[in-house]
Amino acid sequence: QLEESGGGLVQPGGSLRLSCAASGFTFSSNWMHWVRQAPGKGLVWVSRITSDGSNTNYADSVRGRFTISRDNAKNTLYLQMNSLRAEDTAVYYCARDAFCGGDCFDYWGQGTLVSVSS
Amino acid sequence: QSALTQPRSVSGSPGQSVTISCTGTSSDVGGYNYVSWYQQHPGKAPKLMIYEVNKRPSGVPDRFSGSKSGNTASLTISGLQAEDEADYYCCSYAGRYIVMFGGGTELTVL
Repeated sequence: QLEESGGGLVQPGGSLRLSCAASGFTFSSNWMHWVRQAPGKGLVWVSRITSDGSNTNYADSVRGRFTISRDNAKNTLYLQMNSLRAEDTAVYYCARDAFCGGDCFDYWGQGTLVSVSS
Repeated sequence: QSALTQPRSVSGSPGQSVTISCTGTSSDVGGYNYVSWYQQHPGKAPKLMIYEVNKRPSGVPDRFSGSKSGNTASLTISGLQAEDEADYYCCSYAGRYIVMFGGGTELTVL
């Protein structure tokens, strides 16, 4: 099970940290991802982190502003979001990597809504 | 990073088959056998239906199948059922550790 938290309303230029609490599996064994979905729009991959946290990757649209991290002792994934823009408004999902080739996501949280507006 | 191209909507009657296409480039869909498909009902989280082009996770009915030819991947749903009505998204590895989704296709069961 994956459960996101930390979403809310923030002004442009502001910051927010999302959390994703994992349970029911060995969290430290899986790569993890963040995927977002703007209201009424499609899915967009945001970021990936390896199982030990040593490597991270980002979509061009968030690189330099967002930071993915994890605490395997707490079974928790994070997304630090800085310099937020209106176009970052979306439901943010955390998703477990299913060990398939090229990334695929077998478990998803229910999402947390981030709204960026003045 | 442009999204993969999917039809905005498809439809079919119960029992029929429908196919949803997902067109990319040689840098993503055509370059790797790493295409996955997701089903999303309104207000729900996505569900993995197909991975690595044509593999089904445990629990996904064999009515769902995937294929790829060149830069286009396809999801076929046979024996269409009312509960298949949902949005469907393709996803592909695009090299340089980047993942891309398609724009999504709304499936209507008539």
